[in-house]
Amino acid sequence: AAGVIQSPRHLIKEKRETATLKCYPIPRHDTVYWYQQGPGQDPQFLISFYEKMQSDKGSIPDRFSAQQFSDYHSELNMSSLELGDSALYFCASSFRRQGPSYEQYFGPGTRLTVT
Amino acid sequence: GEDVEQSLFLSVREGDSSVINCTYTDSSSTYLYWYKQEPGAGLQLLTYIFSNMDMKQDQRLTVLLNKKDKHLSLRIADTQTGDSAIYFCAESPEAGGSQGNLIFGKGTKLSVKP
Repeated sequence: AAGVIQSPRHLIKEKRETATLKCYPIPRHDTVYWYQQGPGQDPQFLISFYEKMQSDKGSIPDRFSAQQFSDYHSELNMSSLELGDSALYFCASSFRRQGPSYEQYFGPGTRLTVT
Repeated sequence: GEDVEQSLFLSVREGDSSVINCTYTDSSSTYLYWYKQEPGAGLQLLTYIFSNMDMKQDQRLTVLLNKKDKHLSLRIADTQTGDSAIYFCAESPEAGGSQGNLIFGKGTKLSVKP
């Protein structure tokens, strides 16, 4: 079965640079969530989109922005990168259109290292 | 505020049962989840339980929910070395109009000894 696809899988950037992470949800899924997992930490919710509109906002820094496109893929844009942004970034998707999103499936993550 | 708590470590012998416990605070959570994360890998949805249920069984996995005490547990029967991973408990609070984002516990690292 198709899963959530994230690219790139690994990314190395320097401080103050920008980065763009991409997420392709499971086909027919209409909701995308972004999470950040620091080393040895639990995943922290950043932001979510439903039908291309921002649905919910968590602990996303102002330096980050995200959007969902007409084909339901999503991009997380990160600017003025800091060392503390080094983490695993997960995208998850679910199908919400016909009710609450009970099952949220995660991608393999993008490991961002800021040097 | 929302908080999910788990013990950090659990060590069992192969073939034994493992029980991983979790407490949560948000009584509005409709669904509670268990995810598995192997080293360097993503989060795998293992199972979830609706808040009006007490128990859910899925092959070797049994989830017990005590809504009064806000206590959730995951029992893995006949634990295998391949079950070694970090197990995250998560809740999906509905307070404040939240739409499905998950609040995770710190994760329990399960080590299975042969």
